[in-house]
Amino acid sequence: GAGVSQSPSNKVTEKGKDVELRCDPISGHTALYWYRQSLGQGLEFLIYFQGNSAPDKSGLPSDRFSAERTGGSVSTLTIQRTQQEDSAVYLCASSSRRYSEAFFGQGTRLTVV
Amino acid sequence: AQKVTQAQTEISVVEKEDVTLDCVYETRDTTYYLFWYKQPPSGELVFLIRRNSFDEQNEISGRYSWNFQKSTSSFNFTITASQVVDSAVYFCALSVIEGDYKLSFGAGTTVTVRA
Repeated sequence: GAGVSQSPSNKVTEKGKDVELRCDPISGHTALYWYRQSLGQGLEFLIYFQGNSAPDKSGLPSDRFSAERTGGSVSTLTIQRTQQEDSAVYLCASSSRRYSEAFFGQGTRLTVV
Repeated sequence: AQKVTQAQTEISVVEKEDVTLDCVYETRDTTYYLFWYKQPPSGELVFLIRRNSFDEQNEISGRYSWNFQKSTSSFNFTITASQVVDSAVYFCALSVIEGDYKLSFGAGTTVTVRA
């Protein structure tokens, strides 16, 4: 597709389980972001991939969170041992160049029960 | 470090009123980029505009206009003759070389336009 694609759209998981969220950026985009948005809140930065540079992981809230980007394309955000406070919408975005606008996916709504 | 401040948490207006959203940014870099995004109730963020630090010319796009003033480090957004469809959360963002151009967002301003 032409836009950023995220899967699944919705995910309900039990507390303590691991989850993987996937992001397919726009083809050719070198930058990829993950953000988290809790209900009624702003955008919380999680991680930033830019080309072949080391990712900026400064926003990851704990060591239960990790992300990888394979082949400079698809990215997976993994949350281990999920907690109820992890419930949020996880947004992925990509941009074509360092200073370009980012385009967002529709998000994955994660609910931890 | 860079920072974006959107001091207005919520704004409520009646249809056809004008509404201005404030955005103040902080950066030590002389080269930077500013953005506005809209997040309607459907949830997906929509890009509205990008400006670079060397272009202070104001921009108008339909009912939307942007006022960039480096002297006050502000990049304000005005919706003229607001409509119900303008109801959304609006985010201002900054990208600078210091952070390898990572996008830093403000907290957002919720705009409610009442019929």
